[in-house]
Amino acid sequence: DAGVTQSPTHLIKTRGQHVTLRCSPISGHKSVSWYQQVLGQGPQFIFQYYEKEERGRGNFPDRFSARQFPNYSSELNVNALLLGDSALYLCASSRGPGVESPLHFGNGTRLTVT
Amino acid sequence: ILNVEQSPQSLHVQEGDSTNFTCSFPSSNFYALHWYRWETAKSPEALFVMTLNGDEKKKGRISATLNTKEGYSYLYIKGSQPEDSATYLCAPPSANTGGFKTIFGAGTRLFVKA
Repeated sequence: DAGVTQSPTHLIKTRGQHVTLRCSPISGHKSVSWYQQVLGQGPQFIFQYYEKEERGRGNFPDRFSARQFPNYSSELNVNALLLGDSALYLCASSRGPGVESPLHFGNGTRLTVT
Repeated sequence: ILNVEQSPQSLHVQEGDSTNFTCSFPSSNFYALHWYRWETAKSPEALFVMTLNGDEKKKGRISATLNTKEGYSYLYIKGSQPEDSATYLCAPPSANTGGFKTIFGAGTRLFVKA
């Protein structure tokens, strides 16, 4: 079975621009979570979606938004990009939203904002 | 805000050495604890999901214990091999509006020298 796939793998944007990152979960997984990882820190939780509904939101500004589609794939959108948004963005899927479901991660999208 | 601390921050060992590191988390409102291994240029991989006080899990040469009353978990690696070199992350899910969010520690970076 294919793992979690993310696109694009790398992206360079300019301050003020908008970006859309995409994620396809493992077949059969209905929950998708997004994380931001910067050097020296663990992944920081951004959003969790389950059955197309937002189930969790981290401490990120409203410039960050996401959605989940009927096929359980997901998009993360970031508006008005800042230099500080440069990071590795990880998507993870799980069978359900519960605490006992381990996360399965994609390889991430490396976003550079100049 | 859930505070997850991992120690040490990094660890250098020789091949064949056994090692262990610690994850500390608030003991109140405990739901579960996840351990992940993150190798360079790969995506994080789930090792264990632990839920009960006193839980012990084992996967090959890697094992983990859980103490929910005092808020810590230990990860042990017996007879370290170069392929064990990775960042080890612990993550206790915490309640979030309508669901959960998985909060990661900063990780322990393990280097195993042949």
